[in-house]
Amino acid sequence: DSGVTQTPKHLITATGQRVTLRCSPRSGDLSVYWYQQSLDQGLQFLIQYYNGEERAKGNILERFSAQQFPDLHSELNLSSLELGDSALYFCASSVVAGATDTQYFGPGTRLTVL
Amino acid sequence: KNQVEQSPQSLIILEGKNCTLQCNYTVSPFSNLRWYKQDTGRGPVSLTIMTFSENTKSNGRYTATLDADTKQSSLHITASQLSDSASYICVVGRGDMRFGAGTRLTVKP
Repeated sequence: DSGVTQTPKHLITATGQRVTLRCSPRSGDLSVYWYQQSLDQGLQFLIQYYNGEERAKGNILERFSAQQFPDLHSELNLSSLELGDSALYFCASSVVAGATDTQYFGPGTRLTVL
Repeated sequence: KNQVEQSPQSLIILEGKNCTLQCNYTVSPFSNLRWYKQDTGRGPVSLTIMTFSENTKSNGRYTATLDADTKQSSLHITASQLSDSASYICVVGRGDMRFGAGTRLTVKP
């Protein structure tokens, strides 16, 4: 158990809908990362937050947005869902945002878009 | 073309044997290189993290090497165990991280 929690574990929805994935980092960790893992594209970095501020952005679509709240939990919002958005979404956390900080991954949320 | 290439794509070895996984990258500028172990359907677990000034980093039976000149890294697993069966993923960069497709390792008794 990494100490990172993600809810829900599974989510099934329809195309065009909007969903929110939630992540609680390890106690004391200030940085949160979101990743997408699909069968055809592997793991991709989406976005990073550090202490409530966006720190880095990867291959995140405009239909996706995220935020980190004052209590340091984070939410990833996915809208206008498409079939191709079906994937495992992981959240990870680290103490700060250093280059060599260990990232601890949560168990993931499996999103299925029908 | 992916900026992080891993080989082999898959590997089967017998329990107790050693193996080496490869990672070649073209990501620039280089910040750091990470190796992760990922069991099917679970989140990746960090094995090693190296900056460009580090040549080798060990974590138990896992030893990673880095040659920043040739932009190559390897992950050596010693005395493999059944629990080593997993995907091993190489990740390069900080900020906009780039992921390799992974090597699927199967350890058989």
